[in-house]
Amino acid sequence: EAQVTQNPRYLITVTGKKLTVTCSQNMNHEYMSWYRQDPGLGLRQIYYSMNVEVTDKGDVPEGYKVSRKEKRNFPLILESPSPNQTSLYFCASTRQNGDTQYFGPGTRLTVL
Amino acid sequence: ELKVEQNPLFLSMQEGKNYTIYCNYSTTSDRLYWYRQDPGKSLESLFVLLSNGAVKQEGRLMASLDTKARLSTLHITAAVHDLSATYFCAVDGGNTGTASKLTFGTGTRLQVTL
Repeated sequence: EAQVTQNPRYLITVTGKKLTVTCSQNMNHEYMSWYRQDPGLGLRQIYYSMNVEVTDKGDVPEGYKVSRKEKRNFPLILESPSPNQTSLYFCASTRQNGDTQYFGPGTRLTVL
Repeated sequence: ELKVEQNPLFLSMQEGKNYTIYCNYSTTSDRLYWYRQDPGKSLESLFVLLSNGAVKQEGRLMASLDTKARLSTLHITAAVHDLSATYFCAVDGGNTGTASKLTFGTGTRLQVTL
């Protein structure tokens, strides 16, 4: 089954404790993105990747890092999480010709 | 900076009625996407509109794109309760044409009542 998976689905952590949210897709998609969703703000893009080792900032990249060492994986790293990063995070992938984006199930992060 | 505005933000409508959700955006783009999100769920792709005048229909939903007016509409015909969800439009403001740099509207929460 074609899908985008994220782990963990839920995470409660404390300020400053480094964490990684994993994202994996099995569709051989070139492009992958991370978004955060906050009430009243819709989804905002954090980072995106056009291929292995090629990444670029989205609209709200501060406080986040990403890497793309393999085509299928695109982890999101929070080196020193802060409470304002409490949010619902979605990973997405798309084919190179951009037909649509396929979204993962989401990761709800709470930073205390 | 690309801005995407949807209206209304909230829509309560009776079953059987018709209504339209509007999506306006601020800079030139000919790639627009509509998504549906059920409460507590992920986003599901509804339509991909890739040229001026594009119109797509699926069941009771029809989406169109006017790139000159920088406007897309999502029309709901004879609403049913199952259409209750939040609907997002998203515009690709990047140069790659690959849906890689999307800016989303804030969403329209649709509630269909009996």
